[in-house]
Amino acid sequence: EPEVTQTPSHQVTQMGQEVILRCVPISNHLYFYWYRQILGQKVEFLVSFYNNEISEKSEIFDDQFSVERPDGSNFTLKIRSTKLEDSAMYFCASSFLRGRLYGYGYTFGSGTRLTVV
Amino acid sequence: AQTVTQSQPEMSVQEAETVTLSCTYDTSESDYYLFWYKQPPSRQMILVIRQEAYKQQNATENRFSVNFQKAAKSFSLKISDSQLGDAAMYFCAYRNAGGTSYGKLTFGQGTILTVHP
Repeated sequence: EPEVTQTPSHQVTQMGQEVILRCVPISNHLYFYWYRQILGQKVEFLVSFYNNEISEKSEIFDDQFSVERPDGSNFTLKIRSTKLEDSAMYFCASSFLRGRLYGYGYTFGSGTRLTVV
Repeated sequence: AQTVTQSQPEMSVQEAETVTLSCTYDTSESDYYLFWYKQPPSRQMILVIRQEAYKQQNATENRFSVNFQKAAKSFSLKISDSQLGDAAMYFCAYRNAGGTSYGKLTFGQGTILTVHP
């Protein structure tokens, strides 16, 4: 079964450093997403990406965050200057959009645990 | 904006027994999807079951079934014949089906399910 692949599985970074989280969505999917889960809390939407641009973002997704799809396969989330409160699990997801069918095929990656020290 | 509420932070069940996890949601949309996701200690997000709002029939997947009450905006998950492997955090999630939606999932706070042998 196709998978969404995220790397690395765990990243430790110094406060103030830039970090890039990487994701390889399922190849025929069209919509890409990042979610964040602070330990023990609910999963929160960060951003959705379609047709090489951001289609929707949450209030969490401020100027410190950016996303891009640099080569047609990878989908990255960059945090420019990490803060302690950015420590969380970050999930990438992708989905296949086609009318009513887009309720299906929404697949999450296994997550990247980001620890900011 | 849509909201999802899970009022049970923790639930427990004896192995082989049945347990029901509650979820309510608020939306002004008529066409949407509802999901239950399982998050084991590995923190991977695993889709358990999906319900389309325009379908009156409750979804079932083996030992998992839902009670979807559209008018009451209630979406509970019933786990029959509970197994030790069912122990996890369970999240209820909502997604618009059309309009300007780009597939964002809105999650509830989660319910930790413990299964006792």
